[in-house]
Amino acid sequence: EPEVTQTPSHQVTQMGQEVILRCVPISNHLYFYWYRQILGQKVEFLVSFYNNEISEKSEIFDDQFSVERPDGSNFTLKIRSTKLEDSAMYFCASSETPSAYEQYFGPGTRLTVT
Amino acid sequence: GNSVTQMEGPVTLSEEAFLTINCTYTATGYPSLFWYVQYPGEGLQLLLKATKADDKGSNKGFEATYRKETTSFHLEKGSVQVSDSAVYFCALSDRRAAGNKLTFGGGTRVLVKP
Repeated sequence: EPEVTQTPSHQVTQMGQEVILRCVPISNHLYFYWYRQILGQKVEFLVSFYNNEISEKSEIFDDQFSVERPDGSNFTLKIRSTKLEDSAMYFCASSETPSAYEQYFGPGTRLTVT
Repeated sequence: GNSVTQMEGPVTLSEEAFLTINCTYTATGYPSLFWYVQYPGEGLQLLLKATKADDKGSNKGFEATYRKETTSFHLEKGSVQVSDSAVYFCALSDRRAAGNKLTFGGGTRVLVKP
């Protein structure tokens, strides 16, 4: 069964460093998302991406964040200068079409900023 | 804005017990409602959905009915198994929005003991 994959599973970085979280969505999916979950808090929407551009972004998704689909398979989230409060589990998701109900989630990348 | 509130856990049950997880929502439009489940070490999986008032979603013995009058979408299962131990998330999406983002509740951890 096709699945969304994410790498790495755990990333430790120092404050101020740049990190890139990688996701491989399901191959025929066209709509991509990033969510995050700070420990003990809700899963929060960060950004949605379709047709090589951002469809919607939350207030969390400020200038420190960017997304990219560098090739036909990967979808990345970059944090330019990490802060302690960026420590969270980051989930990538994809859906077949913009109006599809089901979003398929990856297992997440745990980001720890020290 | 949209929001989802669900009962806090953990919920500890014996095998074959009845499970209810309460979920209520606030939305400005006519949302679609979802229950996602997260098994240990895995990503979020769609468990069931309902797209309009009075719809009942069901899957794997779980059920939830979209109640517009009480703005609720409570999850129920008549006889739980140890394998149902997981974290359950209630969520909504407003499909009129461009990004089709999901808004999640805080999650409820369920532990089923043999």
